[in-house]
Amino acid sequence: NAGVTQTPKFRILKIGQSMTLQCTQDMNHNYMYWYRQDPGMGLKLIYYSVGAGITDKGEVPNGYNVSRSTTEDFPLRLELAAPSQTSVYFCASSYSGGRSSYEQYFGPGTRLTVT
Amino acid sequence: GDSVTQMEGPVTLSEEAFLTINCTYTATGYPSLFWYVQYPGEGLQLLLKATKADDKGSNKGFEATYRKETTSFHLEKGSVQVSDSAVYFCALEFSGSARQLTFGSGTQLTVLP
Repeated sequence: NAGVTQTPKFRILKIGQSMTLQCTQDMNHNYMYWYRQDPGMGLKLIYYSVGAGITDKGEVPNGYNVSRSTTEDFPLRLELAAPSQTSVYFCASSYSGGRSSYEQYFGPGTRLTVT
Repeated sequence: GDSVTQMEGPVTLSEEAFLTINCTYTATGYPSLFWYVQYPGEGLQLLLKATKADDKGSNKGFEATYRKETTSFHLEKGSVQVSDSAVYFCALEFSGSARQLTFGSGTQLTVLP
């Protein structure tokens, strides 16, 4: 059981380049999330999905796009990279059911530098 | 909007010292509260949680009590170890919000032998 996996671990982009951060979970979770973590800051939600085919914006969606064609995968797309997108990106997933709170499981992160 | 305020770090303690990391929140209604821990080079892991007022979450010697009257969820441990060195995040969640978490800014803890 791998949990939440992310690729790549590290990436350096030039301004204006594009890339896709991959995220896969094998826990059959229906909720998935993308966060960014800037130095000395908490995590900010970029986008989330409550199931295949359904996505919605979080707190900081500008400059990003997502898709959710399967339960397992939730890629994050950067179309025109900017220095402000230099950050560590975390994907997470959780189970939804009833009114109880369920923990989010996080991937190991992708460290992205835009120069 | 909802927010979480954490005690600023970094915090440096000697092994076996007592730890408190303060966390207060602002929210309408009654969110669930969490502490997540991030070890160097890793993603976040759930440390403990509490879902209603006066609940106490506990795990690995850490404890936190959901105090509605003071809107707080302070993290404590009686005797820290070097292996507890990590960044600790307080977070809240509303069940009707697709389980979205609102995080505090994190507190870096370093425990010296």
